Amino acid sequence: DSGVTQTPKHLITATGQRVTLRCSPRSGDLSVYWYQQSLDQGLQFLIQYYNGEERAKGNILERFSAQQFPDLHSELNLSSLELGDSALYFCASSAEAASGNTIYFGEGSWLTVV
Amino acid sequence: GENVEQHPSTLSVQEGDSAVIKCTYSDSASNYFPWYKQELGKRPQLIIDIRSNVGEKKDQRIAVTLNKTAKHFSLHITETQPEDSAVYFCAASLILGNTPLVFGKGTRLSVIA
Repeated sequence: DSGVTQTPKHLITATGQRVTLRCSPRSGDLSVYWYQQSLDQGLQFLIQYYNGEERAKGNILERFSAQQFPDLHSELNLSSLELGDSALYFCASSAEAASGNTIYFGEGSWLTVV
Repeated sequence: GENVEQHPSTLSVQEGDSAVIKCTYSDSASNYFPWYKQELGKRPQLIIDIRSNVGEKKDQRIAVTLNKTAKHFSLHITETQPEDSAVYFCAASLILGNTPLVFGKGTRLSVIA
């Protein structure tokens, strides 16, 4: 157990819908990352938050948004869902903001868009 | 930005043999290179990492080598066991930098008993 908690574990929804994925980082970690893993694809970085502020942005679609709350949990909002958004979404956390710190992944949220 | 290439995409070895996975990176400033293992349906987990001030690091059957001049690093697994079967990801970043880890596309290792 990495200490990073993600909910829901599985989610099936229809095209055009909106979903919210939730992540609680390890106790004490201030930095949260979101990654997308599609079939046979690597780990695509979406966005990073540190202590409530956006720190880095990757290949995140405009239909996607995220935030980190004062209690440090984070939510990833996916809207106007398309079939191609079906993927495993990982949240990860680390103690600090800067790279070079070990990041710990949660178990992931499987999203299926039908 | 950083780009990480990883080869091979799939690798099959006999139990007891060695496995080598290679990665190249583009940003010469990168100085942190971790390796993650992802078992089927599970989360990626850090198995070993290396920083640019050393050329090699070992942890039991796992070793990582780094060639900064050539901008490549490799994962070596000796005496492979069936439980080593997984997808392995390399990554690169700049310590204290503002950009998160950039991952390779992964290598699916199968250890055949």
